[in-house]
Amino acid sequence: RKEVEQDPGPFNVPEGATVAFNCTYSNSASQSFFWYRQDCRKEPKLLMSVYSSGNEDGRFTAQLNRASQYISLLIRDSKLSDSATYLCVVKVDGNKLVFGAGTILRVKS
Amino acid sequence: EPEVTQTPSHQVTQMGQEVILRCVPISNHLYFYWYRQILGQKVEFLVSFYNNEISEKSEIFDDQFSVERPDGSNFTLKIRSTKLEDSAMYFCASSELWASEQFFGPGTRLTVL
Repeated sequence: RKEVEQDPGPFNVPEGATVAFNCTYSNSASQSFFWYRQDCRKEPKLLMSVYSSGNEDGRFTAQLNRASQYISLLIRDSKLSDSATYLCVVKVDGNKLVFGAGTILRVKS
Repeated sequence: EPEVTQTPSHQVTQMGQEVILRCVPISNHLYFYWYRQILGQKVEFLVSFYNNEISEKSEIFDDQFSVERPDGSNFTLKIRSTKLEDSAMYFCASSELWASEQFFGPGTRLTVL
């Protein structure tokens, strides 16, 4: 079983749509959770950390379900500039980041 | 805004040659990392480095790989004898503290022929 599993997509949505991505992780000892964004041939950039109580940053909402080992990201009012690959990332122990393969989002006008 | 820089942006080498990838982490950061991403695949952890020592490494980081902080600013990844399968994007990252955000550099694309 993959350590971090994501639907690769692509998700093709119109501008203004709401879109949700899901991710599951295999190690119940995982301690920290993140969503990163990666544009084509660029470096990963932190979008937001994910907290147990859920958290929101503008149009982005992240949720964590430890019992189900499941993380989600909701993007409201999608913009063309949101088009990217969204990476689900966990930290199990130590300080290494474990990345999922990513979900591709394409927002179209 | 401070950022991690990497040189070169693209390195082409022949199989069996040694390459050194260079990184300048953010100046007040204490923890340094290398990750790699083979084209079309996920980002994978290679190694973390703190206080002039490797603190953690993955199975990928075998004897062909080494890291060094040769001076106060640079952090390097050396691959002693490159293989075709070493072709990938190599990202350097740094963080200020153990648990703080890891900032990634723009990457070096390594092509082994």
